[in-house]
Amino acid sequence: QKEVEQNSGPLSVPEGAIASLNCTYSDRGSQSFFWYRQYSGKSPELIMSIYSNGDKEDGRFTAQLNKASQYVSLLIRDSQPSDSATYLCAVRLSGGYNKLIFGAGTRLAVHP
Amino acid sequence: ETGVTQSPTHLIKTRGQQVTLRCSSQSGHNTVSWYQQALGQGPQFIFQYYREEENGRGNFPPRFSGLQFPNYSSELNVNALELDDSALYLCASSFPGTWNNEQFFGPGTRLTVL
Repeated sequence: QKEVEQNSGPLSVPEGAIASLNCTYSDRGSQSFFWYRQYSGKSPELIMSIYSNGDKEDGRFTAQLNKASQYVSLLIRDSQPSDSATYLCAVRLSGGYNKLIFGAGTRLAVHP
Repeated sequence: ETGVTQSPTHLIKTRGQQVTLRCSSQSGHNTVSWYQQALGQGPQFIFQYYREEENGRGNFPPRFSGLQFPNYSSELNVNALELDDSALYLCASSFPGTWNNEQFFGPGTRLTVL
């Protein structure tokens, strides 16, 4: 079992819709969770971090965390073509140093 | 505030050669982590440097080595390059002790091994 799993996609949504991206992780003791956006040929850009169960909102983005189910999600409201990118879920494992484990990413395509 | 920078942007090497990649951390950040990202995959942790010492290592062979300097900049060295080393190499900086411990990536170095 992979430590962090994401659907590879592509996830195709129409402009203005809500895009829902999901991630599951295996380390039950994990404390910190991150969503990065990566445009083709570019490096990952941090867009959200979440540490407590529940929802965290930042503009059009909402991160949701359920530690009991070992599940993290990212909702993008009013999706725009500029949101088309690969979204990487990252988990900082329990204990030790600040090492991030990444999923393979979900490719999102927002079409006009 | 200066972001994370990396050099060079692109590099082409042949199998068996050695390569050095460089990273300058974001202003105020004293921890540098290196990741390797193969095409279509998420970044994989190589190692982390804190206060000029290796502070954790992923599943990479010893021919991957690094350094951190007093100004917190860092180098990644790869010896005896193999074709599978072709990837995007990413440097991320962070400041431990902050409650969120977020990592911020540089633009990356694209390494091609022929």
